Amino acid sequence: KAGVTQTPRYLIKTRGQQVTLSCSPISGHRSVSWYQQTPGQGLQFLFEYFSETQRNKGNFPGRFSGRQFSNSRSEMNVSTLELGDSALYLCASSPGGQGPYEQYFGPGTRLTVT
Amino acid sequence: QQQVKQSPQSLIVQKGGISIINCAYENTAFDYFPWYQQFPGKGPALLIAIRPDVSEKKEGRFTISFNKSAKQFSLHIMDSQPGDSATYFCAASFPSGTYKYIFGTGTRLKVLA
Repeated sequence: KAGVTQTPRYLIKTRGQQVTLSCSPISGHRSVSWYQQTPGQGLQFLFEYFSETQRNKGNFPGRFSGRQFSNSRSEMNVSTLELGDSALYLCASSPGGQGPYEQYFGPGTRLTVT
Repeated sequence: QQQVKQSPQSLIVQKGGISIINCAYENTAFDYFPWYQQFPGKGPALLIAIRPDVSEKKEGRFTISFNKSAKQFSLHIMDSQPGDSATYFCAASFPSGTYKYIFGTGTRLKVLA
């Protein structure tokens, strides 16, 4: 099975711009979660989508949003970018449902905000 | 209460030695505890995971020990190899099918040849 794919892998944006990141989960997986990874804060949960519905949300401002399509692919959007949004954004996929709880991560999108 | 505390921050081990990384949590609602390995430029890769009804789980050279009463769990890497040099993260997850993981801060492991 192909793993989790994320596009683009690298992105450079300017403060104030917006950005959209894409994630394709493992075939058959219905849950997609997004995480932000920074040296200072580590891995922090952004949100999780299951069957096109946001099921869980972390403590991030409303500038961070996401959606999931009927084929389970997911996008994450960050509006009005700030310097502090520079991070590795990771997508994780899981079969969904009540269990098992294993999540499989993609390689991430490295976002740099200048 | 949602924190997972991980130690040490960094670890240097000789080839063939045992690497031990510890994590502690407060929230007793957590019911799933995975460990991830991350190499530079890559996403975290699931290594091994445990549920609180089991005190130990072993997969190859990797073992999780779980102490429910102490709210602690640890990763043991036996016969550590230079290829094990990576950052290791513990995590904890809530029940009911949620996939919201709370991650530890990570341990950078270096295995000397």
